Order: sequence, then C-alpha cells, then structure tokens
Amino acid sequence: QKEVEQNSGPLSVPEGAIASLNCTYSDRGSQSFFWYRQYSGKSPELIMSIYSNGDKEDGRFTAQLNKASQYVSLLIRDSQPSDSATYLCAGGGAQKLVFGQGTRLTINP
Amino acid sequence: GAVVSQHPSRVICKSGTSVKIECRSLDFQATTMFWYRQFPKQSLMLMATSNEGSKATYEQGVEKDKFLINHASLTLSTLTVTSAHPEDSSFYICSAGDRGREKLFFGSGTQLSVL
Repeated sequence: QKEVEQNSGPLSVPEGAIASLNCTYSDRGSQSFFWYRQYSGKSPELIMSIYSNGDKEDGRFTAQLNKASQYVSLLIRDSQPSDSATYLCAGGGAQKLVFGQGTRLTINP
Repeated sequence: GAVVSQHPSRVICKSGTSVKIECRSLDFQATTMFWYRQFPKQSLMLMATSNEGSKATYEQGVEKDKFLINHASLTLSTLTVTSAHPEDSSFYICSAGDRGREKLFFGSGTQLSVL
C-alpha cells in the first residue's frame, strides 16, 4: 500500500513567522512530489512541485525533498492570514498521485 | 495555465436517483482524467482513472457499477453516481494532466448531498 503521511494538525503559526509542513512517503518509486493548498469547500490548488533532491524556492514558498529519507517539506516564510488552509502533500508518477491526509494550518494575526 | 472545468458545483438529490458530473479540459487534450472523492476533513481518495476511448480503471473498493465513468473524447469525462444513497454524499473532484506534463490540474469540485 503506497502511503503519504502528514501530521493532520492543526498547526498554528503567528503572522510573519515561518510555517513548516512535513510529509513522508512509503513508495521509493515515486518520482514527483507536490504541495497543494485547499481552502474549505474548494478544490486543491497547486503550490509547489519538486522532483529532485534539495530545495526549490518560489516566492515565499520553499519545498525540500530528501529521497533517501523519503521526506518532503514545505516552508512558508512571512506567513499571512491568507495562508490559512489545509495543505496536501502528494507523491507519485505519471500523474497518478497519492495524497496525504493534509495538514490544517492557521496563521494567527 | 491549464484549466479544468467541473459541473455542477453542487447537487442535492433524493436517495435512489442518479447524478452525472462532468469534467472538461478547456485548453488542452487529456487522454487521462482522474476522479477523487473527499469526505469532510479527510484527504482526496482516488476512485478511478478515466482513459479516453477505453474502460476506466477503478481503485480497490470502488464499485464500478455504481460509479460509471465515460471518457468519450479527449476533453470530457463524466462520472455518474447511480442510485445514490446518503453515504455517497461527498465532495467529488476531477483532475487532468496535459500530455507529457507531470502536473495535475483540478476541477472546482462537486458537492453531492443525497437526502
């Protein structure tokens, strides 16, 4: 059974601080990893994709991948109240993804 | 960016009726589309992979006779929930990927409520 595990939270972070979201996966064959943001009642929105070991930065977001440890993370710098949402980690290949259960993040003003 | 349109956004129906949900890729051709179901405060669970011109591939535990999938063209896949019951009430989401691209684009989702 291919699994992606996340801490469901909730994770509370003060505005302006760094939010750190973590994810582990069981399938060593997974090639692609994604972070999605989902607001309540809405469909997921792609935030970051990462395919190789190391860090990938895009604006306030940094994704980190460590294939040896089967670990993916997402850092959100200068957190804003609008970042409050559920963040889904997903891994897989050829577009077929396995999703984690999501981490609920709350940014406190 | 690529756009996936899903319709309707919300359905309320009586138990025993059938409901059809449409998923369209608006600016690209999608040979494969995916259907997910999401219960409150839970993650997305893949139900089936919809393949253009062939039968859908269902995940373990998903009844293919209850959740009918048709992918008749490169831009349209439909999911029909047959004889819906209250336990089928959920958020249904489709996704599609542009050919050769790893990224998936999601439809806006359909909230199904069966009374």
